Amino acid sequence: GNSVTQMEGPVTLSEEAFLTINCTYTATGYPSLFWYVQYPGEGLQLLLKATKADDKGSNKGFEATYRKETTSFHLEKGSVQVSDSAVYFCALKRSRNSGYALNFGKGTSLLVTP
Amino acid sequence: DTAVSQTPKYLVTQMGNDKSIKCEQNLGHDTMYWYKQDSKKFLKIMFSYNNKELIINETVPNRFSPKSPDKAHLNLHINSLELGDSAVYFCASSQVTSNEQFFGPGTRLTVL
Repeated sequence: GNSVTQMEGPVTLSEEAFLTINCTYTATGYPSLFWYVQYPGEGLQLLLKATKADDKGSNKGFEATYRKETTSFHLEKGSVQVSDSAVYFCALKRSRNSGYALNFGKGTSLLVTP
Repeated sequence: DTAVSQTPKYLVTQMGNDKSIKCEQNLGHDTMYWYKQDSKKFLKIMFSYNNKELIINETVPNRFSPKSPDKAHLNLHINSLELGDSAVYFCASSQVTSNEQFFGPGTRLTVL
């Protein structure tokens, strides 16, 4: 079935460091891919998305490119801030028969220190 | 205005009790979901409803019964609560033609 694998955390970085969180997927076809972010004590917010191969999603300095050759959707940011500390989830959108539900990776916790 | 709201935010109860969590969305969406987030932060779909009809039930025990009285509401009733039901439950909604799901703030359920 469709699934997502993302790197395990926690990831600890200093402010202004470069961030990469790896995400790979297994799917039939080319599902839409997403990164969601969960700040402490809050619900999930959509960070960025890509709906087809070679699409690049971007938001708030974060980027991810949908690569069908490597079945990957890695999240990157050039210079992280303390306020980026959160849990990041990679997800794919399932088919109509599955109600278009999301399959999530296990989440990667990011801590950015001053 | 809150887009997707859930009540209560916290729920502490004893094993064996029955409890409900309510969810409402004011976005005019036609599809609603319940997800469960366990203690390790893993998120898993439980149910999906489209226009008040159940689309998927992801091997959730029969003790969990979702009910959708209208397109804007999807409530979750849980019978005979067990310790393993302790988790954060998230409601979400989307328009089936859209790629974005909007999540509620979550309900933290603790079963003692």
